Amino acid sequence: GDSVTQMEGPVTLSEEAFLTINCTYTATGYPSLFWYVQYPGEGLQLLLKATKADDKGSNKGFEATYRKETTSFHLEKGSVQVSDSAVYFCALSFSGNTGKLIFGQGTTLQVKP
Amino acid sequence: DSGVTQTPKHLITATGQRVTLRCSPRSGDLSVYWYQQSLDQGLQFLIQYYNGEERAKGNILERFSAQQFPDLHSELNLSSLELGDSALYFCASIGGEGSGANVLTFGAGSRLTVL
Repeated sequence: GDSVTQMEGPVTLSEEAFLTINCTYTATGYPSLFWYVQYPGEGLQLLLKATKADDKGSNKGFEATYRKETTSFHLEKGSVQVSDSAVYFCALSFSGNTGKLIFGQGTTLQVKP
Repeated sequence: DSGVTQTPKHLITATGQRVTLRCSPRSGDLSVYWYQQSLDQGLQFLIQYYNGEERAKGNILERFSAQQFPDLHSELNLSSLELGDSALYFCASIGGEGSGANVLTFGAGSRLTVL
């Protein structure tokens, strides 16, 4: 079945370090891909998305490129801040039901000053 | 504030009991989705309603049910509760068919603890 796999956490970085969180997917069709972020005590917020191969989603310094050939959607940021500490979820959905998301297990990011 | 309102924020109850979680979607959104976030299962889609009708079902237990009312708010009913039902339950909403707001917006969640 369709699924999303993320790298295990927690990921601990110093402020201004480079961030990569790996995400790969298995899908029978051509999904849209998403990164959601969950700050402590809050709901999920959409961080960025890409709807077709080679699209790059970007927001707040975060980027991810939809790579069909490697079925990946890795999240990157050039310089993380303490305020980026959160749980990051990679997810996919299909155009038939864009709200029905399949999530990865989440990756906790801790950024230390 | 995402515009999706969930109540209660926290709920503690005992095994065997029944609870109701409530969700008011973002203004104008016709679709409501329920998700469960637990330590062992992660984030899982439970059920979707569109304009009062059930549209899609995921890994929802038979002890759980949901409905969406004419004013578009939704309720998730959890009965015969077990310890393993302890989780964060999220509601999310999205624009109606044809809407440009094709992004799921989540509420802050209802944390259920079953003792």
